[in-house]
Amino acid sequence: EDQVTQSPEALRLQEGESSSLNCSYTVSGLRGLFWYRQDPGKGPEFLFTLYSAGEEKEKERLKATLTKKESFLHITAPKPEDSATYLCAVQAGSNYQLIWGAGTKLIIKP
Amino acid sequence: NAGVTQTPKFQVLKTGQSMTLQCAQDMNHEYMSWYRQDPGMGLRLIHYSVGAGITDQGEVPNGYNVSRSTTEDFPLRLLSAAPSQTSVYFCASTDGTGLETQYFGPGTRLLVL
Repeated sequence: EDQVTQSPEALRLQEGESSSLNCSYTVSGLRGLFWYRQDPGKGPEFLFTLYSAGEEKEKERLKATLTKKESFLHITAPKPEDSATYLCAVQAGSNYQLIWGAGTKLIIKP
Repeated sequence: NAGVTQTPKFQVLKTGQSMTLQCAQDMNHEYMSWYRQDPGMGLRLIHYSVGAGITDQGEVPNGYNVSRSTTEDFPLRLLSAAPSQTSVYFCASTDGTGLETQYFGPGTRLLVL
């Protein structure tokens, strides 16, 4: 069964303390892996799409990487405004429906 | 552009009542979908549409109906609300069925008593 698992469920960091969020997946024929950010009371907002192992993408303090089994969202020197829930989703095979992870809630304390 | 809009923002229903959640987009996207989001779970697809007049079921369609009479609008109908339908509902649109970015609305929080 296709599955996406995100860890940890929650992560509390001090401002400036770098860390990584994990998204592991078991699917057949990965077509793309997506990262979204979700602020409280709002809909998810697109961050990155990764298509193949070894690919990396960056945006401000965020960097997403992809291997054949997992993706990492690295956050460097985070600020309080980076606090949000980060969602991972994959699209695989001939099914264009996305499979979503439960998310990681990131809290950055000043 | 307003993007994807949803109404209402919050709704309380009694068991057995029916209601329609509204969704509209002004980006001329062909593909629209409805998700529900529950604590500790990933977004789950309820129904989707690949264009006006075409709809299909997602992962959790039971208890919900949809229609797509125009490109812009994609309402979700709850036929007879149940407490298990208490959730946050998101509408999303995208410019294709491939790997394009999905644009989400702000969500409707539904409580069924």
